[in-house]
Amino acid sequence: KAGVTQTPRYLIKTRGQQVTLSCSPISGHRSVSWYQQTPGQGLQFLFEYFSETQRNKGNFPGRFSGRQFSNSRSEMNVSTLELGDSALYLCASSSRTTASSYEQYFGPGTRLTVT
Amino acid sequence: AQSVTQPDIHITVSEGASLELRCNYSYGATPYLFWYVQSPGQGLQLLLKYFSGDTLVQGIKGFEAEFKRSQSSFNLRKPSVHWSDAAEYFCAVFNDYKLSFGAGTTVTVRA
Repeated sequence: KAGVTQTPRYLIKTRGQQVTLSCSPISGHRSVSWYQQTPGQGLQFLFEYFSETQRNKGNFPGRFSGRQFSNSRSEMNVSTLELGDSALYLCASSSRTTASSYEQYFGPGTRLTVT
Repeated sequence: AQSVTQPDIHITVSEGASLELRCNYSYGATPYLFWYVQSPGQGLQLLLKYFSGDTLVQGIKGFEAEFKRSQSSFNLRKPSVHWSDAAEYFCAVFNDYKLSFGAGTTVTVRA
């Protein structure tokens, strides 16, 4: 089975711009989560989607948004980029059908640099 | 709210020596606990998990972890470290559809 894929892997944007990141989960997985990783704040939860519904959202401003499509692929969008949004954005997928489905499998991440 | 503490920011260990990484959690109910490893520039790889049952769990790459409810701990161990184990390790607790991570412990392996 192919793993979680994220595109693009690297991205450089300018302050004020917006960006869209994409995540394709493992085949058959219906849950997709997003995390932000920075040296200062560590790994922080952004949001989780299951069957196109947002189930939980982390403590991030409204500039951060996401969605999930019927094929379980997910996108996250950050509008009006700030320097502090520079981070590694990680996507994780889970099958979420049994207790063991709480395992989350991570993609390689998208490295976003805001200049 | 649930939280995870990894008291050691950085550990240096000799190749072939044993390794133990500490993790303490704060959570009211029975926790779902995980250890992940991250190599530079990579995503997170799941090492092992604890949901219930046997408190000593085995994972990949020769790692094991022991859940101790009385100490609110879930420490990761490996009997003999290889140079390829140099990485950052994260302990996490799962609740309400999200993982809450510790700050991570960086492991350096010296020859």
